[in-house]
Amino acid sequence: AQSVTQLGSHVSVSEGALVLLRCNYSSSVPPYLFWYVQYPNQGLQLLLKYTSAATLVKGINGFEAEFKKSETSFHLTKPSAHMSDAAEYFCAVSPTSYDKVIFGPGTSLSVIP
Amino acid sequence: DAGVIQSPRHEVTEMGQEVTLRCKPISGHNSLFWYRQTMMRGLELLIYFNNNVPIDDSGMPEDRFSAKMPNASFSTLKIQPSEPRDSAVYFCASSRVDNEQFFGPGTRLTVL
Repeated sequence: AQSVTQLGSHVSVSEGALVLLRCNYSSSVPPYLFWYVQYPNQGLQLLLKYTSAATLVKGINGFEAEFKKSETSFHLTKPSAHMSDAAEYFCAVSPTSYDKVIFGPGTSLSVIP
Repeated sequence: DAGVIQSPRHEVTEMGQEVTLRCKPISGHNSLFWYRQTMMRGLELLIYFNNNVPIDDSGMPEDRFSAKMPNASFSTLKIQPSEPRDSAVYFCASSRVDNEQFFGPGTRLTVL
C-alpha cells in the first residue's frame, strides 16, 4: 500500500532563508509524486509533480523537488523564502497515472519577517 | 476555464437535517474526487469517480453519506441525517491525466 510521511507538522523559516520540507513515501512500484500547496481558506493547488522523467522537478513560485529512489524521498526546497510562501504544503503519491492519490498529513510553513 | 466549482461555499445547518453539496468539475476531466478536511484528521478521500462511475468509496464514513455523479459535469455529496461531527471543509477535485488534481474552493459545513 502507498503511504506518505511528512517530517515536521510545522516549519518556521526567516524571510530569505532556505525552505526545506521533507517527504518520504512507500511504494511497491515507481510512483507518481506530487507537492500541493494550500493557502488559507482555499483549495489545494499543484506545485509540481514527478512522473518518472527528470529526478529534479521544478515547479511554480521557485519551488523544486528531487526524487531520490534510494532514500524514498521527495523533499521540497526553495532557495529563498518569501512571506507569500506561508501556507500548508502536502506531499502526495500514486502508484499509477489512474489510481487515487494518497496525501500526506501536511506541513504548515511560517515565514518570519 | 472557470475551474472546479463548488456550491454552496458555506453551509450552516442543524443536526438531523439533510445536507447536499454540489460540484461541477472542469470540462474534459474524467475523474472526480470528494475530500473532507478537518484539523483532527487532515485531508481524507471520501470517494472518487472515473467516467461517472464510483471506483472507490471506502473512505465514506458511514451510510449517512452518499455521492452521485449523474453526468460528466455534475456531482453531489449528500449527508442525511447530518451530525455535528460532520463539520468540516469538503473539497471536490477533478483530473484528466497523470493524476494532476484541480481542487475547488471547498464548502465549509457547520452542523450545530
